[in-house]
Amino acid sequence: DAGITQSPRHKVTETGTPVTLRCHQTENHRYMYWYRQDPGHGLRLIHYSYGVKDTDKGEVSDGYSVSRSKTEDFLLTLESATSSQTSVYFCASSGRGETDTQYFGPGTRLTVL
Amino acid sequence: GNSVTQMEGPVTLSEEAFLTINCTYTATGYPSLFWYVQYPGEGLQLLLKATKADDKGSNKGFEATYRKETTSFHLEKGSVQVSDSAVYFCALSEAAGNKLTFGGGTRVLVKP
Repeated sequence: DAGITQSPRHKVTETGTPVTLRCHQTENHRYMYWYRQDPGHGLRLIHYSYGVKDTDKGEVSDGYSVSRSKTEDFLLTLESATSSQTSVYFCASSGRGETDTQYFGPGTRLTVL
Repeated sequence: GNSVTQMEGPVTLSEEAFLTINCTYTATGYPSLFWYVQYPGEGLQLLLKATKADDKGSNKGFEATYRKETTSFHLEKGSVQVSDSAVYFCALSEAAGNKLTFGGGTRVLVKP
């Protein structure tokens, strides 16, 4: 399995505060992704990156921003957290090809009070 | 846009029973199809995949065949074990950006 980690694994925060989640991969994968998982919705794509400094929006990008300054790191920021952003967040990465398998991190459980 | 529909759970089975989880999709092009599995407290793991029509993906006793004519990718296992208890996600991706579109997930509980 690809070496992909997420930090923190759990976070509780208050409405209106900024939050940054970190994803780190050691496979030199080109593509990286952020998803959120909510009951009944499966996983939905928030943002993705196809290279350093190259990012694009996914299905549910409102209220989120991302940055990728190095191949191995992909940051997800909630500028001003809301209760609707309480969720489990998964990062994934995939290799050179556009149909390569995505490998997922262990997830971050975020609670916004 | 793309979408994936899979049967709602939970599905409760006895050990050694036959498992089928239905998955159908809507896509504008020619997607690759995947089944991912999520064990309790863990991230998603790829279970199997198929990249073109009539391909069969298989792994750990699970199988799924890419049926373009019925836009389906049903997951089957002939004899489940307690360790197969998990949430199963059907997903598709199209080449541009390799973005995955997931179904809602099906929780499977296998009782001894």
